[in-house]
Amino acid sequence: AQSVTQLGSHVSVSEGALVLLRCNYSSSVPPYLFWYVQYPNQGLQLLLKYTSAATLVKGINGFEAEFKKSETSFHLTKPSAHMSDAAEYFCAVSEMRMDSSYKLIFGSGTRLLVRP
Amino acid sequence: DAGVTQSPTHLIKTRGQQVTLRCSPISGHKSVSWYQQVLGQGPQFIFQYYEKEERGRGNFPDRFSARQFPNYSSELNVNALLLGDSALYLCASTNTLGELFFGEGSRLTVL
Repeated sequence: AQSVTQLGSHVSVSEGALVLLRCNYSSSVPPYLFWYVQYPNQGLQLLLKYTSAATLVKGINGFEAEFKKSETSFHLTKPSAHMSDAAEYFCAVSEMRMDSSYKLIFGSGTRLLVRP
Repeated sequence: DAGVTQSPTHLIKTRGQQVTLRCSPISGHKSVSWYQQVLGQGPQFIFQYYEKEERGRGNFPDRFSARQFPNYSSELNVNALLLGDSALYLCASTNTLGELFFGEGSRLTVL
């Protein structure tokens, strides 16, 4: 069964510093991987997705993620943090089930804090 | 274009009561999924509906049920509420690329 592990429940960076949020996955088939962001009291917004095309995926708001099969990782990065990036970030892997249903399996999330 | 809309946004119930949450998908999306997000955790899959038929069910008790209507909107029902049902309930609609678009959720508090 697929699963996702996000290392670090909280990450704190200074404004302008590199953002690195870690995600490792477990999947018996080539995975589809996603990063979502959740601002306080809001739903989830899709940042980017990997669907077996380019291993370096660019998303919205300057974020990107690199799929590394050898490391089973899909870490999220942004070169320079902005105060508006403060939010909860979720990594997810998709699972197509035997009954043709489709679901996302989410990690436990990483809260990004950006210091002025 | 309107995104996924959910109602109500907040509600408070007492143990043993029943609740109905509603969701309207993005226009043109035929699949709706429901997720439960307990405070401090990632969302957990509850149901998926496609073309008014249940396509999948997560590890939730029979107190949880859902349905999808001909206009692709959906309702999630939870009976005999427990304190542990307090959570943010997220609805998502899926496009043809398999991307899920989430609503802002219905926050349920059970007292």
